[in-house]
Amino acid sequence: SQTIHQWPATLVQPVGSPLSLECTVEGTSNPNLYWYRQAAGRGLQLLFYSVGIGQISSEVPQNLSASRPQDRQFILSSKKLLLSDSGFYLCAWSTGKYTEAFFGQGTRLTVV
Amino acid sequence: GQQVMQIPQYQHVQEGEDFTTYCNSSTTLSNIQWYKQRPGGHPVFLIQLVKSGEVKKQKRLTFQFGEAKKNSSLHITATQTTDVGTYFCAGIHSGGYQKVTFGTGTKLQVIP
Repeated sequence: SQTIHQWPATLVQPVGSPLSLECTVEGTSNPNLYWYRQAAGRGLQLLFYSVGIGQISSEVPQNLSASRPQDRQFILSSKKLLLSDSGFYLCAWSTGKYTEAFFGQGTRLTVV
Repeated sequence: GQQVMQIPQYQHVQEGEDFTTYCNSSTTLSNIQWYKQRPGGHPVFLIQLVKSGEVKKQKRLTFQFGEAKKNSSLHITATQTTDVGTYFCAGIHSGGYQKVTFGTGTKLQVIP
């Protein structure tokens, strides 16, 4: 069966520090991969999505970037975190168009 | 860009009362999905609607897709405390991109 792993679960980082969040999917190949951010009490904002290795589409211009070095690995990065980067970051995968998304457990990031 | 709005943003109901959340898209959707996020958790897929005017039921939950495929609703009959959480609709837009746009969510609180 397919599983999605996302880590760490919680993270406290100072302003200006770098960020690297990793997400891996098991049990499937060539998944669509997504990074979402959820501010406290708010909806889900799509940050990046990828339909294949090295193929990244950005939805919101910001100081975050994403990479997909392997088929089932999706990484969210930042060179310098801002206070406004705090939030709940969720990785998700789907088998393709018009299919349900499966979410990881999320990373709660607090920038201080 | 595509926007998906949900109303209400918050809803408090007495246990046993009914609850409805409405989802509206700025553009025509190919499909619409519904997710539930428990407090502190990650979104979990509930259902997908594909056809214009489609109605699907899951026990006490009734999902409807509008005739124009631009709106949807989720109705819960006789709410229970286990229904607490935030309900998101997610629209998949007609076109070549493979992404999902989440609605703003409706947070449901059930008072025992």
